[in-house]
Amino acid sequence: GIQVEQSPPDLILQEGANSTLRCNFSDSVNNLQWFHQNPWGQLINLFYIPSGTKQNGRLSATTVATERYSLLYISSSQTTDSGVYFCAVNWGSQGNLIFGKGTKLSVKP
Amino acid sequence: GAGVSQSPRYKVTKRGQDVALRCDPISGHVSLYWYRQALGQGPEFLTYFNYEAQQDKSGLPNDRFSAERPEGSISTLTIQRTEQRDSAMYRCASSLGGFGDEQYFGPGTRLTVT
Repeated sequence: GIQVEQSPPDLILQEGANSTLRCNFSDSVNNLQWFHQNPWGQLINLFYIPSGTKQNGRLSATTVATERYSLLYISSSQTTDSGVYFCAVNWGSQGNLIFGKGTKLSVKP
Repeated sequence: GAGVSQSPRYKVTKRGQDVALRCDPISGHVSLYWYRQALGQGPEFLTYFNYEAQQDKSGLPNDRFSAERPEGSISTLTIQRTEQRDSAMYRCASSLGGFGDEQYFGPGTRLTVT
């Protein structure tokens, strides 16, 4: 099956700093989603991005499907950005998403 | 509009009891998915439905786990004879179409088996 690897596993930032999270996948995918799991456990949709670049406020994402990776950029980080960021892909003829292990982000005031 | 809802949000049960977890998808969404998430891990697929048809149940860990979606809307995940290893967050998601569409997740049910 497909492998989804996220890096780094843990990241600690000072408020106001920028960061880049990476997701590598081992095969062609039908779609790719980024999620933020906040400290209360909610899984929030950030981007649906099988290819190309999208921006939403301080967050942006780029997926280069031909090279099998996606990047999530967080600029001017805030303490509310803390949590776990998951990348998930839909692959082959399966309907389900396959998740990476996540990047745990802690933003310090 | 309303998102995906799940009930109960928290469930504590004794080993050996049966539990039923409910998912109410976004109105009009055709596909419904169940996932299980252990602490410190990403969600893992259990099963999914298109309308009322169960399309894939390859992720169900054993025959104590079953799911249904009889009218193509609300779904129930049932775990019989619960064991401590069943303790986890159970998440439901829905998508407008099937295959490849964006999935939206509910708040989850935290199941603890004592």
